Amino acid sequence: DIQMTQSPSTLSASVGDRVTITCRASQSVGSWLAWYQQKPGKAPNLLIHKASSLESGVPSRFSGSGSGTEFALTISSLQPDDFATYYCQQYHHYSTFGQGTKVEIK
Amino acid sequence: EVQLVESGGGVVRPGGSLRLSCAASGFAFHDYGMTWVRQAPGKGLEWVSGISWDGGSTGYADSVKGRFTISRDNAKNALYLQMNSLRAEDTALYHCGRTIGGGATTPFDYWGQGTLVTVSS
Repeated sequence: DIQMTQSPSTLSASVGDRVTITCRASQSVGSWLAWYQQKPGKAPNLLIHKASSLESGVPSRFSGSGSGTEFALTISSLQPDDFATYYCQQYHHYSTFGQGTKVEIK
Repeated sequence: EVQLVESGGGVVRPGGSLRLSCAASGFAFHDYGMTWVRQAPGKGLEWVSGISWDGGSTGYADSVKGRFTISRDNAKNALYLQMNSLRAEDTALYHCGRTIGGGATTPFDYWGQGTLVTVSS
C-alpha cells in the first residue's frame, strides 16, 4: 500500500486564522488526491478531489494544492464550522487514507 | 435522496466469517462505483475495498487482501463484502460508500451509517 502521512496530527487555531494541513505520500500519486472533513459521529464530507478540484457547495475558503508526493489543504480564514478532523486520501494505486488532522479551537 | 443502508454486522470469533450487505437507493446504482471504508471507534478512516460500476474492477487494502471479497448485484441495487478469516484488528464500523464516477477506488461522496463488526473470542 502507498502510505499517506499527514501533519500535524493536531492543530490548534483561532477563528480567522489561515490554516494549512500537509499530506505526504510514500510514492508519487500524481494528482489523485482527495480531502475530506469529518465531524464526530458524522459521515466524512468530500471537499476536494484531484488535488485541487473543489467539490460543489464547498466554501471557497478551502483550497488544495500539490502533486506527486506533497499536498496541502488550506483554509484561508477558519470559521467556527471548520473545527473538525481532516483526512487526505490517495486513489492512484488502490486507495489509502492519511491518519487525520484534528483542527481544534485554540 | 441517496440512501445507503448496511447490514450483516455482528460479533464473531477470530477465524470466523461474515457477509456484509449494502442496500442502495435514490440513484442509478449501476452507474457508480462503490466502496467499503471502516472506522474503528475513536480511530481514523481505513479504505477496505472498492468495485467499479460493472464489477469488472476491484481493489483491496493489503490488510484484507486474500480474506475479503467485494461484489455487487446491479439488478438488486446491492453491494456485498464477504469477510473470511476475521481477526481482532478487523473490529470496526463498516460503511459502504458511493464513489464519484464509476471507478473502484475513486473518492466517495455518500456513505451509510455503518454496520458494526466485532471480532472477539
